[in-house]
Amino acid sequence: QVQLQESGPGLVKPSQTLSLTCTVSGASISSGPYYWSWIRQPAGKGLEWIGHIYTSGNANYNPSLKSRVTILRDTSKNQFSLMLTSVTAADTAVFYCARISYSYGYMDVWGKGTTVTVSS
Amino acid sequence: EIVLTQSPGTLSLSPGERANFSCRASQSVYSRYLAWYQQKPGQAPRLLIYAATSRATGIPDRFSGSGFETDFTLTISSLEPEDSAVYYCQQFGDSPPYTFGQGTKLEI
Repeated sequence: QVQLQESGPGLVKPSQTLSLTCTVSGASISSGPYYWSWIRQPAGKGLEWIGHIYTSGNANYNPSLKSRVTILRDTSKNQFSLMLTSVTAADTAVFYCARISYSYGYMDVWGKGTTVTVSS
Repeated sequence: EIVLTQSPGTLSLSPGERANFSCRASQSVYSRYLAWYQQKPGQAPRLLIYAATSRATGIPDRFSGSGFETDFTLTISSLEPEDSAVYYCQQFGDSPPYTFGQGTKLEI
């Protein structure tokens, strides 16, 4: 059974960098074909795809966030990570990691989500 | 960017009734890349339908999907109280961003 678990600070100061890690169990992020993704959801609002990293290590990002986002992977720990720089209050959200099917583009396995608040 | 517009914003129905959720795309979406999710308060979204019409593993057959190109529909044939949730459509097109609709809230 594939499981994903987000971890990282719940509070980040404005202008700083938000860093989260997703730990994957039950599957290898090096074998596919899957994308490993980050999605966020501000309180009471909809879902926004942030970006994903493929089994090859190539990453794609939402153009609206591309200048501030980096997604990396650590295959030795079976983890992938999100870094979002220069955060503001508008970046406050629940952040989810999820697995995306390469063939169909659906997100079939999700983490439970972690809330990140940007505040001084 | 492909914009997905869902309607209605809120649906209020009774147990046993039929629910139809609409998802309209600003440009054609290949059916293979259209999915539906259910999200309950405090939970992560749950995949219901992928490739526009295929039910995900463990999803009851009262959930079904239809549509193509720019018009897609999720149908719940006979509502159960536990179906109260927000429902999202999502597309995974040729290029990013891969977008979600704004959601339809179902109240039972």
